[in-house]
Amino acid sequence: QVQLQQWGAGLLKPSETLSLTCAIYGGSLRGYYWNWIRQPPGKGLEWIGEINESGGSNYNPSLKSRVTISVDTSKNQFSLNLSSVTAADTAVYYCARGCRGCPGDYWGQGSLVTVSS
Amino acid sequence: EIVLTQSPDFQSVTPKEKVTITCRASQSVGSALHWYQQKPDQSPKLLIRSASQSISGVPSRFSGSGSGTHFTLTINSLEAEDAATYYCHQSSSLPVTFGPGTKLEIK
Repeated sequence: QVQLQQWGAGLLKPSETLSLTCAIYGGSLRGYYWNWIRQPPGKGLEWIGEINESGGSNYNPSLKSRVTISVDTSKNQFSLNLSSVTAADTAVYYCARGCRGCPGDYWGQGSLVTVSS
Repeated sequence: EIVLTQSPDFQSVTPKEKVTITCRASQSVGSALHWYQQKPDQSPKLLIRSASQSISGVPSRFSGSGSGTHFTLTINSLEAEDAATYYCHQSSSLPVTFGPGTKLEIK
């Protein structure tokens, strides 16, 4: 059974960089796209971006200038960096497994990131 | 970017009732339209993939239909545990997008 476990800092100040990591247990990076999705409090879901095992990535144009997603195949994990955060970046961030044209089937537990001065 | 709209935004329903949620896409997504259920403080759970394909472990009262730009999620004989927000999601083209959600309240 595939499990995704994520972690990272939960409280940031404006202009800092958000960093989250998602580890995959019971499965491999191979053959899938690994996604980051966020959900502001009380709102809907927004796709941030994805990466495959080879490091090929795609980002949401609305966040592209601030987002970097990376993969570490030796640790079977992938990471999200979002720079220059503001209060608008306050959200629960999820990692999820997907593939080209298919939905995320396994999701992490979610990480609440709050941006506040 | 493909925009997804859902209706209704909110529905209050009684147990055993049949519920239909609609999702419309701003352009054709073929059958690359999926449905999620999200309960408070939980991660989204995949209910239906590729418009109508069932997911192992999901109760058979959940079904999906549609193609192109018009899709529906049907819940037959609603149960109390179905109280949640339901999202449609398209993976036809990047950026993938989600509908705004439909919140179901059980009376």
